[in-house]
Amino acid sequence: DIVMTQSPLSLSVTPGEPASISCRSSRSLLHSDGFNFLSWYLQKPGQSPQLLIYLGSNRASGVPDRFSGSASGTDFTLKISRVEAEDVGVYFCMQGLQVPVTFGQGTRLETK
Amino acid sequence: EVQLVESGGDLVQPGGSLRLSCIASGFTFSHFWMGWIRQAPRKGLEWVATMNPDGSNKYYVDSVKGRFSFSRDDAKRSLYLQMNSLRADDTAVYYCGRGNQGAYDIWGQGTMVTVSS
Repeated sequence: DIVMTQSPLSLSVTPGEPASISCRSSRSLLHSDGFNFLSWYLQKPGQSPQLLIYLGSNRASGVPDRFSGSASGTDFTLKISRVEAEDVGVYFCMQGLQVPVTFGQGTRLETK
Repeated sequence: EVQLVESGGDLVQPGGSLRLSCIASGFTFSHFWMGWIRQAPRKGLEWVATMNPDGSNKYYVDSVKGRFSFSRDDAKRSLYLQMNSLRADDTAVYYCGRGNQGAYDIWGQGTMVTVSS
């Protein structure tokens, strides 16, 4: 199974400041079509997860452009350029390259 | 509106059975991979099962193989998760999700399954 390891597991950020979350996969997530099958989700308190980023760096529909995703080999990063109060919740990465699909442990973001 | 709505969650005794349903709306259901993902109380996300658009390929996490069965009815735009021999560690909120480009781009609101005597 592909193991997904996130860091940090919790993050406290002042609104208006940037934030960065890392996700490392135990093997390459590069699909034969040239895309990384890595996605990022935010689960706001009391809500279902919502897709933020797919194929490593593509923002999902309706996601603010302060969110961005990048990849370097098996290391993936989600960046928030300026954290807002509505960004609080738990962030998960997920690999969709092969079954079993696996998630990172989650990173809890709170604002100061 | 693109939407998934789950139902069927309940309190069930260990060893019991339950059938979850998920109804899709707002998109061409028969074109998409679909899946189930669960979240135990105060825990992370765990993928449970996925199925290709025509239902010919189904995949399950090892812990539910032989106990859970995933099906779809395109005419009813519905997914079903038949869960048998339920155990305490199956207790979770169960979400259905639409698969798209290696991600789950639409999630339902979830339905709670509690396995307890």
